Amino acid sequence: NAGVTQTPKFQVLKTGQSMTLQCAQDMNHEYMSWYRQDPGMGLRLIHYSVGAGITDQGEVPNGYNVSRSTTEDFPLRLLSAAPSQTSVYFCASSYSGGGGRTTDTQYFGPGTRLTVL
Amino acid sequence: AQSVSQHNHHVILSEAASLELGCNYSYGGTVNLFWYVQYPGQHLQLLLKYFSGDPLVKGIKGFEAEFIKSKFSFNLRKPSVQWSDTAEYFCAVNAPGAGSYQLTFGKGTKLSVIP
Repeated sequence: NAGVTQTPKFQVLKTGQSMTLQCAQDMNHEYMSWYRQDPGMGLRLIHYSVGAGITDQGEVPNGYNVSRSTTEDFPLRLLSAAPSQTSVYFCASSYSGGGGRTTDTQYFGPGTRLTVL
Repeated sequence: AQSVSQHNHHVILSEAASLELGCNYSYGGTVNLFWYVQYPGQHLQLLLKYFSGDPLVKGIKGFEAEFIKSKFSFNLRKPSVQWSDTAEYFCAVNAPGAGSYQLTFGKGTKLSVIP
């Protein structure tokens, strides 16, 4: 049981390039989320998914796309990288708990450190 | 919109000192509360959580937190810190209606423990 895995660990992009950050979980969690972490800002939610085929925007979605074709995978796409997207990106997953109650814990991946020049 | 405030940006303590990190939230309804820790170069790990019941919650590594509803607070405590507690600590809040996938984090408190 690997938990939440993310690739790559580090990435350097030039302004305008596109790329996809990969996230996978093997815990059969329905919910997955992407956060970015910036110094002095804590973590901010970018996008989230409540199941395969269902995604929605979080607090800071601009410049990012997501899709969820399977329960396990939740990739984050940067369409045209900008220096403001230099950050550490964390993927997280959680279980709904069933019955419409969402009281479980988010488990985080190791993060991807992205630098945009 | 709910927000989470952590009172201290950086706390420096000597080993064996007691620790209390403040966390306040603005949401008026029923909330779920979390403390996560991030050791240098590592990902976030859950320290403890509060959903309901006893407002004094015990977590891993000797940490505990007290939920005081009237003060909208969820402060983290440890009686005696160790050098290995050097890390950044994040308070996070989740309203049940928002789902466990939507945590709102505080800005974090960096703890440095001096041997």
